[in-house]
Amino acid sequence: EIVLTQSPGTLSLSPGERATLSCRASQSISSSYLAWYQQKPGQAPRLLIYGASSRATGIPDRFSGSESGTDFTLTISRLEPEDFAVYYCQQYGSFPYTFGQGTKVEIK
Amino acid sequence: QLQLQESGPGLVKPSETLSLTCTVSGGTISSSHYYWVWIRQPPGKALEWIGSIYYTGGTYYNPSLKSRVTISVDRSKNQFSLRLSAVTAADTAVYYCAAEWRDFGRPYGMDVWGHGTTVTVSS
Repeated sequence: EIVLTQSPGTLSLSPGERATLSCRASQSISSSYLAWYQQKPGQAPRLLIYGASSRATGIPDRFSGSESGTDFTLTISRLEPEDFAVYYCQQYGSFPYTFGQGTKVEIK
Repeated sequence: QLQLQESGPGLVKPSETLSLTCTVSGGTISSSHYYWVWIRQPPGKALEWIGSIYYTGGTYYNPSLKSRVTISVDRSKNQFSLRLSAVTAADTAVYYCAAEWRDFGRPYGMDVWGHGTTVTVSS
C-alpha cells in the first residue's frame, strides 16, 4: 500500500497569497497517477488535478500541480476567497487507492 | 451530464449490515469509460477508499475492509451498491459514491461524486 503524507497540516494565508501544498508518497506512483481534490465543509470533494499536473475540466489556471520523484506539489498562485478549503492528494496508480490526510488552507 | 445519488438507511445497529445504493443518471453504468467507486469519510477525518467496480463486475477492495465489503452492479437499474457487514461505531461516516473516468484503460481520477450520505452506527 502506498502511503501519502501531506504537509503542512494547516496553512494560514491571506487572499492573494500563494499556497504551496506538499504530498509525499512512500514509493513510486505508477505513471504519475496522482490526483488533488478540494473539499469544502458539507460538500463532496472536487477533482482539481489528475496525472500529477493536468487540470480537470473547469478548474482555474491558478491551480497547478507538479512532481519530483515521489514528491508532489499543488500550487495555488493567488488565493481567492473560495479557495479556502481542505485539499487531499490521492494515488490511483495501484490498488488499494489511498488518500493523504489532507491540508487545510485557512484564512489568516 | 453524469450524476450520482446515494441512498440508504442513515442509522444502522452494531453488528448489522450497512447497505447503500448509488443511482447513476445522465449516463449508463455499462459504460466502458468508468469505474464505480465507494469512498467514506469519518467525522473530522480524511477520505478512505472502500472499493471500486467495473460494469463487468470486476472488483477491487480496500484490504482493511475486504472481509466485510461487497460492491455490486445492477445494470437493469443503472445502480451500484455497497454492503458492509458486522458494522461498529468505527464505520460511522459520510459515504460517497464516485465515478473514475477511464479512457483506453488509463484512469483520470474521480471526476463525478455524489453528495454523500451520512451513516451512523448506533444501537
